[in-house]
Amino acid sequence: AQKVTQAQTEISVVEKEDVTLDCVYETRDTTYYLFWYKQPPSGELVFLIRRNSFDEQNEISGRYSWNFQKSTSSFNFTITASQVVDSAVYFCALSEGSGGYNKLIFGAGTRLAVHP
Amino acid sequence: DVKVTQSSRYLVKRTGEKVFLECVQDMDHENMFWYRQDPGLGLRLIYFSYDVKMKEKGDIPEGYSVSREKKERFSLILESASTNQTSMYLCASRGTDRGSEKLFFGSGTQLSVL
Repeated sequence: AQKVTQAQTEISVVEKEDVTLDCVYETRDTTYYLFWYKQPPSGELVFLIRRNSFDEQNEISGRYSWNFQKSTSSFNFTITASQVVDSAVYFCALSEGSGGYNKLIFGAGTRLAVHP
Repeated sequence: DVKVTQSSRYLVKRTGEKVFLECVQDMDHENMFWYRQDPGLGLRLIYFSYDVKMKEKGDIPEGYSVSREKKERFSLILESASTNQTSMYLCASRGTDRGSEKLFFGSGTQLSVL
């Protein structure tokens, strides 16, 4: 069965620190998608990244970077030089197959607090 | 930009009341979803719909029903609200073409059942 584990419930850092949010997943499918979403205090989940199972290249977008490792079933998210605006709950999610009716399975989320 | 709109941001209801949560999307998406979010549990899928009048149970459908009479609107119904249904409810939509696995979310409805 699909499962997404975010072992870190809460993380607290001081501004400008680097922080890594862990995500470990389980799936029996060979084709799947991994996602990260950010939920700021306003409540609406904001899409950050989608990665398919055939693309293990790491990705960098500004201060954000993602490390996808199939060997360890992990899809970790690093924020470099964190800022107060990064404070939010971050969710990792998994979808098996492609398109169609496949549902997204979410982890429990990691609450990140960045202090000035 | 895709817009998913949930009718209420906060809702307070009494035990036993029938509750309707409404969700509307403006991108002609085929798929729509209802999740509930609880601390420590993340988002759990209640129901989803892949077309008008079509619905599928998610992981926690008990105590809920849904209605999709029009493509843009997906309603979640609590037939007889109970205190354990106090939660944040999130609606989402998604297209079905390849590369459209991304979900678009509404801002959520915080429901309190007293």
